[in-house]
Amino acid sequence: GQNIDQPTEMTATEGAIVQINCTYQTSGFNGLFWYQQHAGEAPTFLSYNVLDGLEEKGRFSSFLSRSKGYSYLLLKELQMKDSASYLCAVRVGSNYQLIWGAGTKLIIKP
Amino acid sequence: DSGVTQTPKHLITATGQRVTLRCSPRSGDLSVYWYQQSLDQGLQFLIHYYNGEERAKGNILERFSAQQFPDLHSELNLSSLELGDSALYFCASSVGAGGRHNEQFFGPGTRLTVL
Repeated sequence: GQNIDQPTEMTATEGAIVQINCTYQTSGFNGLFWYQQHAGEAPTFLSYNVLDGLEEKGRFSSFLSRSKGYSYLLLKELQMKDSASYLCAVRVGSNYQLIWGAGTKLIIKP
Repeated sequence: DSGVTQTPKHLITATGQRVTLRCSPRSGDLSVYWYQQSLDQGLQFLIHYYNGEERAKGNILERFSAQQFPDLHSELNLSSLELGDSALYFCASSVGAGGRHNEQFFGPGTRLTVL
């Protein structure tokens, strides 16, 4: 079967650093996406990894280890606006279907 | 603004009824995806169309159907509605059906409430 695990909820302090983990067991792998979703709004694309290693984009970085079925999203210099859900999704199969994790709700405290 | 449009924004209807949700993809995008998101739940993939043809089906109920028209807009039809169908329905689009990157761009969603 296809399975993606993320922590349900995390809390962090404004200005700090937080790491959101994602582990996956899927049949086939064609890339891993991270999306941000504010409550009641559409998900927006953050990052994409298909090869092992770290991808950095401003305050956000994403890491992938294909052999371990593991990824993390690193958010630095946290701001109150970063309070949102963070969704991990793995692309699988010949139709490049996305399998979505349930999301991690990140709460930022002053 | 992702460039993906969805109408209507809100829809309130009664059990047993039928509704149609509409999605226009970004200019140039050939793929359209439909997702359901119930309150505080993750995204559930429903169906994927590429250039008018169905490419993949997820957990889509038999009461639900979709199509993509020649102008590439798509419609999701929900019939015999039940209380549990109340959810946010998102449409997303991408350039192709795969490829190295090919991120999905999401529309603002349609909030369906079944009373």
